Amino acid sequence: GNSVTQMEGPVTLSEEAFLTINCTYTATGYPSLFWYVQYPGEGLQLLLKATKADDKGSNKGFEATYRKETTSFHLEKGSVQVSDSAVYFCALGSFGNEKLTFGTGTRLTIIP
Amino acid sequence: DVKVTQSSRYLVKRTGEKVFLECVQDMDHENMFWYRQDPGLGLRLIYFSYDVKMKEKGDIPEGYSVSREKKERFSLILESASTNQTSMYLCASNREGARGYTFGSGTRLTVV
Repeated sequence: GNSVTQMEGPVTLSEEAFLTINCTYTATGYPSLFWYVQYPGEGLQLLLKATKADDKGSNKGFEATYRKETTSFHLEKGSVQVSDSAVYFCALGSFGNEKLTFGTGTRLTIIP
Repeated sequence: DVKVTQSSRYLVKRTGEKVFLECVQDMDHENMFWYRQDPGLGLRLIYFSYDVKMKEKGDIPEGYSVSREKKERFSLILESASTNQTSMYLCASNREGARGYTFGSGTRLTVV
């Protein structure tokens, strides 16, 4: 079956630091990959996605590249801000299956 | 602006009560989902529905039931609430064949 493994947190960084949150997956076929973000007290919002190998998703300065050879979709940002403090979820969706499989989430805290 | 609306942000219920969590979407989506979110466990699928009056069990359906009498509304029912059902409950929806969800803001349920 499908599974998503993401970097355990919590992660604490200083403002303007470089961020990487690792995500690897196991899936049959050609899944779509997602990063969702959950700000305190809110539901999840789609941050970015990629639907095929070598695609790069990007939004709000965050990027992730769909790497089929390493089954990875790592989230990166060059310079984080305090407002990026949130929980980040990596997720996978298989073709023909509208259900998503989520990782356990990584809590990110950015200190000024 | 398209929305998934969960009727309550916070609920406190007593053990043994019957609890209804309501979710409404205004996007004419065929699929609706209920997840619970717990620290260290990520999001776990309770039930989903792909059409009116249709439902399928997710990964952790025990102690829960659902109702979908209209396309826009998907209700999660705790038949007899227990303290181990204290959690954040998230509703989501998507269109048939789509990948990725739109989430509601979540309901934080505490059972005392």
